[in-house]
Amino acid sequence: DAGITQSPRHKVTETGTPVTLRCHQTENHRYMYWYRQDPGHGLRLIHYSYGVKDTDKGEVSDGYSVSRSKTEDFLLTLESATSSQTSVYFCATQGAVEKLFFGSGTQLSVL
Amino acid sequence: DAKTTQPPSMDCAEGRAANLPCNHSTISGNEYVYWYRQIHSQGPQYIIHGLKNNETNEMASLIITEDRKSSTLILPHATLRDTAVYYCIVRVPNQGGKLIFGQGTELSVKP
Repeated sequence: DAGITQSPRHKVTETGTPVTLRCHQTENHRYMYWYRQDPGHGLRLIHYSYGVKDTDKGEVSDGYSVSRSKTEDFLLTLESATSSQTSVYFCATQGAVEKLFFGSGTQLSVL
Repeated sequence: DAKTTQPPSMDCAEGRAANLPCNHSTISGNEYVYWYRQIHSQGPQYIIHGLKNNETNEMASLIITEDRKSSTLILPHATLRDTAVYYCIVRVPNQGGKLIFGQGTELSVKP
């Protein structure tokens, strides 16, 4: 599997605080994605990137921003966390042969 | 990317074949069919993909109808470890862009 590392793995924060999740890959994949997953829902796309400094919105982008200053890092920021953003967040990269590789996920709790 | 429709849940007896259907009636000529699965709390895992010919690998077989409007993922001898949510996606390869997963099919393999 591709070397994808998400950090932190778990985070508890308070409403109104900024939060940044990091996705780091060692495979030099061009495309990267951020998803969230909630009970009763499938994976929902938040933002995606098709190269350095090239990003776009997904299905549920409100309240989130992203940045990709280097190929290997894709950051997801919650500018002012809300309880509705409590979720499991997955990062993914797209490699050769069109396979998607996923990180292990970040469990975020906003109290 | 074309949308897909999958049954929300299915059961299968251990050792029997699991046949998971997917409808993608609006698929375009250059879109491939991809299957992924997500075992509880883990990141999704790539299974198989195809364009119009049937495909087989060590994990599963993919049967695509001649008109390409539907496909079936076959797990030939399901085990308890195949219990997971299975996602069918159609998209154009070698492109980034929105990668929408949908709800998937929750497969329960029972002893």
